[in-house]
Amino acid sequence: SYVLTQPPSVSVAPGQTARITCGGNNIGSKSVHWYQQKPGQAPVLVVYDDSDRPSGIPERFSGSISGNTATLTISRVEAGDEADYYCQVWDSSSDHPGVFGTGTKVTVL
Amino acid sequence: QVQLQQSGPGLVKPSQTLSLTCAISGDSVSSNSAAWNWIRQSPSRGFEWLGRTYYRSKWYNDYAISVKSRITINPDTSKNQFSLQLNSVTPEDTAVYYCASGWTNFDYWGQGTLVTVSS
Repeated sequence: SYVLTQPPSVSVAPGQTARITCGGNNIGSKSVHWYQQKPGQAPVLVVYDDSDRPSGIPERFSGSISGNTATLTISRVEAGDEADYYCQVWDSSSDHPGVFGTGTKVTVL
Repeated sequence: QVQLQQSGPGLVKPSQTLSLTCAISGDSVSSNSAAWNWIRQSPSRGFEWLGRTYYRSKWYNDYAISVKSRITINPDTSKNQFSLQLNSVTPEDTAVYYCASGWTNFDYWGQGTLVTVSS
């Protein structure tokens, strides 16, 4: 089945920019979605279809894709952005179509 | 705004059936544009999409191959909800189970239910 690989952790100072990568074979041919999950809570969709934001998500959250890597960028990081972040794609050719990445813990220093 | 409210037991014995329900408000389980999913999360396996139900003039289900022989997802139009049944559970099925709406991404989630499989 399709595999999405993320770095286990990213550390960033408040006010700086965090970049979280998500690698997958030919990921540019798929739509990539990103979720934020805080401890004990359900995930929240923060970016869908590579770079669109749901209503209510700050513009500080943005997505991009280049080659075999998708990136979630968090600008002007705040303490409240500390969370786990997961990428996700839908691989309709797979027996396990709903695929999630391994997750990245973002720590705000 | 869609809201999903989960209910069901948090402890299931091995070999028995795990049953959870997800009540929908703000949308209809019979919507021709929505899909209603079950997803689980465990430390060992991460997030695992289990399956979905959706209505497109008739009802359809899609299931992950890893659970296809054991899973049933059913809509309940009278109560505007959908359910998960997972048969013959083992300790490996211990996880937080979520219901979620969405076709290829998941825009609204239930609160999650920790289900422990143990005797």
